[in-house]
Amino acid sequence: DVKVTQSSRYLVKRTGEKVFLECVQDMDHENMFWYRQDPGLGLRLIYFSYDVKMKEKGDIPEGYSVSREKKERFSLILESASTNQTSMYLCASQTGPSTDTQYFGPGTRLTVL
Amino acid sequence: QKEVEQNSGPLSVPEGAIASLNCTYSDRGSQSFFWYRQYSGKSPELIMSIYSNGDKEDGRFTAQLNKASQYVSLLIRDSQPSDSATYLCAVTLYPGAGKSTFGDGTTLTVKP
Repeated sequence: DVKVTQSSRYLVKRTGEKVFLECVQDMDHENMFWYRQDPGLGLRLIYFSYDVKMKEKGDIPEGYSVSREKKERFSLILESASTNQTSMYLCASQTGPSTDTQYFGPGTRLTVL
Repeated sequence: QKEVEQNSGPLSVPEGAIASLNCTYSDRGSQSFFWYRQYSGKSPELIMSIYSNGDKEDGRFTAQLNKASQYVSLLIRDSQPSDSATYLCAVTLYPGAGKSTFGDGTTLTVKP
């Protein structure tokens, strides 16, 4: 079974803090994604990566950056957290060009005070 | 206009009924279509994918695709309370593109 894990289920941070959200997949998948999910706004793509050290902006990259130093790990960074970044963050991985199925991690509920 | 739109919910059906979930998309070039199920407090999981016009059946689930009308639907036959969840429609421009656009979801409740 594909397993995608995220570093925390719940996280509380203060405005201005630097926040790291980590995602690890154990199936040697090439593609990895970071989404945020908010009521009424659905699932929105923040960043994605097709390979190590490669990244592409999604639909809402402002205020976020990412890092992919190893194939299995994709990190989302909030350089200076703001209250409007309070959300559920979901990581997903995907085999690569042969399939479009995405496997999601359990999510991190981030609250910025 | 949103790229992927789903019928507004919530949708409530009695146990044993057919639940019909609908999705329209704006990019006529889209070629891959997916339905994900998301239980409350959980992350989405894929239940159906469809690439060609017509119907695709998997157990109690049938996905229907009409590219000319830019319309994809999910039918759930013999609905069970365990089907109560939010269903997300996702569209990818072409197979292997990776990046998908998701609809906002339709919340289904199946009442015993």
